[in-house]
Amino acid sequence: DAGVIQSPRHEVTEMGQEVTLRCKPISGHNSLFWYRQTMMRGLELLIYFNNNVPIDDSGMPEDRFSAKMPNASFSTLKIQPSEPRDSAVYFCASSPDHGRHTGELFFGEGSRLTVL
Amino acid sequence: AQSVTQLDSHVSVSEGTPVLLRCNYSSSYSPSLFWYVQHPNKGLQLLLKYTSAATLVKGINGFEAEFKKSETSFHLTKPSAHMSDAAEYFCVVSDQSSYKLIFGSGTRLLVRP
Repeated sequence: DAGVIQSPRHEVTEMGQEVTLRCKPISGHNSLFWYRQTMMRGLELLIYFNNNVPIDDSGMPEDRFSAKMPNASFSTLKIQPSEPRDSAVYFCASSPDHGRHTGELFFGEGSRLTVL
Repeated sequence: AQSVTQLDSHVSVSEGTPVLLRCNYSSSYSPSLFWYVQHPNKGLQLLLKYTSAATLVKGINGFEAEFKKSETSFHLTKPSAHMSDAAEYFCVVSDQSSYKLIFGSGTRLLVRP
């Protein structure tokens, strides 16, 4: 079975450009998470969707960040405009939680973003 | 508030020797505890989890962890390290039935031939 699929795996862009990261969760999983990993701050939860609805976006750094989940098989994380401090690895994870969170997340391989 | 502390940022062992990665937690509630592993340039993978059943939890690839409430610890062990175990390991805590996972800072395990 395919796992969580993220694209692109690597993105290098210049400050001020728009960046869109994409995620396809595992089929049948109804919870989706976006995390950011940096050396300084470790793993941070950015946003959590349940049944395609954003439940908690308190981790989104600022208005430059937005996330959508138009259907059960696709989510995007957009940064506009991007800044050098946004450089990080962004992970998407999904979970088969159905009203009862087990903490078992299935992670994609991440999108490494470098903003020059 | 919940938190986890991974006591070692780096651990180095020889292949075939035991592995011990230390984790202490703080939680106001009965916690769920996890260990996740991250191989280079890969996503995180669940190794094992504790959710108030047996205190000794067995995971994949020969790893296990013991929940010790009196010591607020959840250390990860393996009797014999393999080269493929070289990775970063994260101790994680959450409230039971909560979607919010609190990740430790990670311990990088190096396995020497």
